[in-house]
Amino acid sequence: DAGVIQSPRHEVTEMGQEVTLRCKPISGHDYLFWYRQTMMRGLELLIYFNNNVPIDDSGMPEDRFSAKMPNASFSTLKIQPSEPRDSAVYFCASSLAWGGQPQHFGDGTRLSIL
Amino acid sequence: GIQVEQSPPDLILQEGANSTLRCNFSDSVNNLQWFHQNPWGQLINLFYIPSGTKQNGRLSATTVATERYSLLYISSSQTTDSGVYFCAVGGGDYKLSFGAGTTVTVRA
Repeated sequence: DAGVIQSPRHEVTEMGQEVTLRCKPISGHDYLFWYRQTMMRGLELLIYFNNNVPIDDSGMPEDRFSAKMPNASFSTLKIQPSEPRDSAVYFCASSLAWGGQPQHFGDGTRLSIL
Repeated sequence: GIQVEQSPPDLILQEGANSTLRCNFSDSVNNLQWFHQNPWGQLINLFYIPSGTKQNGRLSATTVATERYSLLYISSSQTTDSGVYFCAVGGGDYKLSFGAGTTVTVRA
């Protein structure tokens, strides 16, 4: 079975531009998570969804960040407008059930904001 | 949130050596997972282990929930074991908090 698929793998853009990151979870998984990894802060949970519904977005850094999950096989994380401090690796992960199952990560999107 | 401390921060091994990585956490957990981030940046789930002991090939893990720690054992290490090992824990709300990781370098 295919794993979690993220696109693009790399994104370089100028500050002020809109950035959209995409994720396809593993088929049949109920939960989807968005994480951010930086040298300074490590791995942080930004938001998670259960059955396409956002459950907890307390990790989203500010209003410039938004996430959607229009159906069970697709989610987006959008940054508008982007700033250099948003540069990081963004991971998407999915799991069968919250708490009782392992989380499986995509390969990440390396985002650089110039 | 739950505080997670991993030790040691760095570990250099000769191929074939055994090692133990430790994860201490500050509160009761319902969820504990170990991950390996390889040199290409991929995060691979190794174990879901909120309590007890599990083994997968040369890797095994033990969590003693009552004493708030977990151990990851690597036996007969290989160069492909190099990377960063993360412990992540979740409490009553099940949100995962990640430790800072242990960077393992296995030399041939």
